[in-house]
Amino acid sequence: DVKVTQSSRYLVKRTGEKVFLECVQDMDHENMFWYRQDPGLGLRLIYFSYDVKMKEKGDIPEGYSVSREKKERFSLILESASTNQTSMYLCASSLHGSNTGELFFGEGSRLTVL
Amino acid sequence: AQKVTQAQTEISVVEKEDVTLDCVYETRDTTYYLFWYKQPPSGELVFLIRRNSFDEQNEISGRYSWNFQKSTSSFNFTITASQVVDSAVYFCALSEALWYQGNKLVFGAGTILRVKS
Repeated sequence: DVKVTQSSRYLVKRTGEKVFLECVQDMDHENMFWYRQDPGLGLRLIYFSYDVKMKEKGDIPEGYSVSREKKERFSLILESASTNQTSMYLCASSLHGSNTGELFFGEGSRLTVL
Repeated sequence: AQKVTQAQTEISVVEKEDVTLDCVYETRDTTYYLFWYKQPPSGELVFLIRRNSFDEQNEISGRYSWNFQKSTSSFNFTITASQVVDSAVYFCALSEALWYQGNKLVFGAGTILRVKS
């Protein structure tokens, strides 16, 4: 069964802390994505990566960075967490050149910044 | 710029009712792709369907059907004889042509569907 696994379902952090959100996929997908989900705003793309060590900014990259050192792992980093980064974070992956365009999502990481 | 509008924030129906979720999109591209995803309470988004802009044929899959109309820029989703298990958040999404290295999807705000028994 295909799987995208996010390391933490729930996190509570304090303002100014450094936060790591980890995502691992076991489907050998080239593409990986980080989205943020907020009520009334849907999903917004933060960063994506189409290969190891490659990254591209999405629509809302400010305050975030990412790391892709291995094909199966894509990390989202909040260098200095702020309260406006309280949100649900969703990781997704897809196969390069997939003709269905299907994204496979993890279950999400709900981050609360106090 | 791409935009997806799901005007219905929340819909409540009684089991066995039919329900239609609306999706209106904006794009300047002539080639684009439309998607529907379901997010059950567990949180993981599940892919339901993808349509390309050249194929306006409606599609039916069991109790699900989709109505794509380019003239009104709409891609509506109907669930026939709804069931409690259909309760979820449903997202409509758009990508402007399959990007060479991946699919950057623009999502709507989502519609919460509550099906009561």
